[in-house]
Formats: sequence, C-alpha cells, structure tokens
Amino acid sequence: EAGVTQSPTHLIKTRGQQATLRCSPISGHTSVYWYQQALGLGLQFLLWYDEGEERNRGNFPPRFSGRQFPNYSSELNVNALELEDSALYLCASIYRDRDPNEQFFGPGTRLTVL
Amino acid sequence: DQQVKQNSPSLSVQEGRISILNCDYTNSMFDYFLWYKKYPAEGPTFLISISSIKDKNEDGRFTVFLNKSAKHLSLHIVPSQPGDSAVYFCAASDWGNKLVFGAGTILRVKS
Repeated sequence: EAGVTQSPTHLIKTRGQQATLRCSPISGHTSVYWYQQALGLGLQFLLWYDEGEERNRGNFPPRFSGRQFPNYSSELNVNALELEDSALYLCASIYRDRDPNEQFFGPGTRLTVL
Repeated sequence: DQQVKQNSPSLSVQEGRISILNCDYTNSMFDYFLWYKKYPAEGPTFLISISSIKDKNEDGRFTVFLNKSAKHLSLHIVPSQPGDSAVYFCAASDWGNKLVFGAGTILRVKS
C-alpha cells in the first residue's frame, strides 16, 4: 500500500511570492490534515479537510489556505510569503471510519523563504 | 501557549538500557494521547497510544504510562536499540480530530 505522498520535496521562494504544496493521501483515506513544523517547534495544526470540505483550521492567518479535490488529494497555498513561513509542511491522512487519531504522515515539503 | 510540552530536547541512552521520554499537558479536555517517531527526511509514524480511561498501554518494547492527575505521560522503551534513535513527538487529542503536538525529543541510542 502506497503511503502519503507530498510534492515538491523542497521549495524555495522569495518573500511576497505564493507557494503551492500538494498532498496525496493513502488510497481509501478521505481526510487530510496539514501541519507546519518550524525549527525547534512541534507540529502546528494548520488545516483539516474531509470529503472536500474544510472542517477545522488552526491559529494561522488567512493567507494560509487550501482545498481538497474529489480524489481526496489536497493542496496547501501560502500567499504573500514571509520569512517565518520557512518550515517543514507535513500532510497526514486518515480513513474516517477508523480511529481518527492515528494519522499517517507524508515525508513533508521543506519550504524556504528568502 | 504550548498545551503539550516535551521539556527535554534530547536524550542519550546506552543500547540495552531503558529510554524514558516525558510529556506534560495542560488541557484537561485531552483524553487521547499518542506517540509518534520521526526519522530524518521522513514523516512521523504512529508508535503507540493511550486513552484517558487507562493508565498504561504496552506494545512490545514500548509502554506508555498516563498520570491524569499530574497531566503527565511517559514513553518507556526497553531495551533500547540503535534503530530507536529518532525524534519522538508526544501528541494529544480531545476527539476533535485535531492533534496537538509537543516540540519533540531527540533520542540517541549509543551502541
């Protein structure tokens, strides 16, 4: 069974630009979560999508947004990039009818803002 | 305000000995706790969990203990192996489908 995949692996942008990160969940998983891991910090919850709808979002500004497609893959968009957006962005998926707490993570996208 | 805290950034243990990783939380609404392990260049992988109705859960070499009155949980690894060297994250949930993670503890198991 293929795991959660994320692309790109690395992304370098300059301040003010926009970044788009992509995530493909495990086949059969309907929920996707996005987390930010900045240096020295734990994973900070960003967004939760389920069945194409945004179900919850963390304490991040509106320039962090995303969507979930009919095939359950997801996209995270970060507009007007700031230096402090540099972080590892992790995507996780779950199969909704199973334990919702056991999330399966992808390898992450390393975003660097110069 | 960090609701889940892992106060030890790193821990070094000799192979074969016990590793004890600690985690404290502040939100009394948390009722499910998990440990994840993360190797470099990989996403975190689920290790073990415990619900608030239990005080201990064991899975092979890994045991998680929960002390609700102290709002404290710990992960014991016995015996520790070099392959256990990784970053360990403690996470908590209030069944709202959102996990709150600690900052992580780097475990180094020396052979």
